[in-house]
Amino acid sequence: GAVVSQHPSRVICKSGTSVKIECRSLDFQATTMFWYRQFPKQSLMLMATSNEGSKATYEQGVEKDKFLINHASLTLSTLTVTSAHPEDSSFYICSADRDRGLGGTDTQYFGPGTRLTVL
Amino acid sequence: KQEVTQIPAALSVPEGENLVLNCSFTDSAIYNLQWFRQDPGKGLTSLLLIQSSQREQTSGRLNASLDKSSGRSTLYIAASQPGDSATYLCAPKGLWKLVFGTGTRLLVSP
Repeated sequence: GAVVSQHPSRVICKSGTSVKIECRSLDFQATTMFWYRQFPKQSLMLMATSNEGSKATYEQGVEKDKFLINHASLTLSTLTVTSAHPEDSSFYICSADRDRGLGGTDTQYFGPGTRLTVL
Repeated sequence: KQEVTQIPAALSVPEGENLVLNCSFTDSAIYNLQWFRQDPGKGLTSLLLIQSSQREQTSGRLNASLDKSSGRSTLYIAASQPGDSATYLCAPKGLWKLVFGTGTRLLVSP
């Protein structure tokens, strides 16, 4: 089955530092990857859609200068939380569309998530 | 804008019961709908995916139905077990995006 990995699984950092999270599709190509954020006891909220070789599309209310997304290859997207603050502490999950050329019917596969704690 | 609601928000049942989890969505222009399971502090596990042209999908003790025109999906869990305890999320998919429901927290006691 299709596998998506995330690294690191947990990160604790000081306020003001930047943190990079990697999302990789291990056995398939993903033209499109997605980044979600989940606060405790809440559902997943889409932050941005990442397309290989082009700029990410951010959801309303998500600061693109704070959450930098780079989708450099068909198997890797990175999310960098710049100048992190305690309110950025959350569970960040990525997903990847398995690119079978079926458009909206492609299945989305999810990574295991990254727990970010900003002190 | 798609809005997804799941009822009930929480459910506690004894082992062995059959369960129905409900999901409703406001925009019926979807390509498919997925049901996921999330254990505390963990990522998502995909349970079932129903394409918009389908009415239901089955996997083991799980059966999911989809009524696209009325904006509803249900997840039926037969003979529930303590290992089924988790949060269940439904997510209809538009052209490119999944929109997640609020989730149903299920607790199955031995």
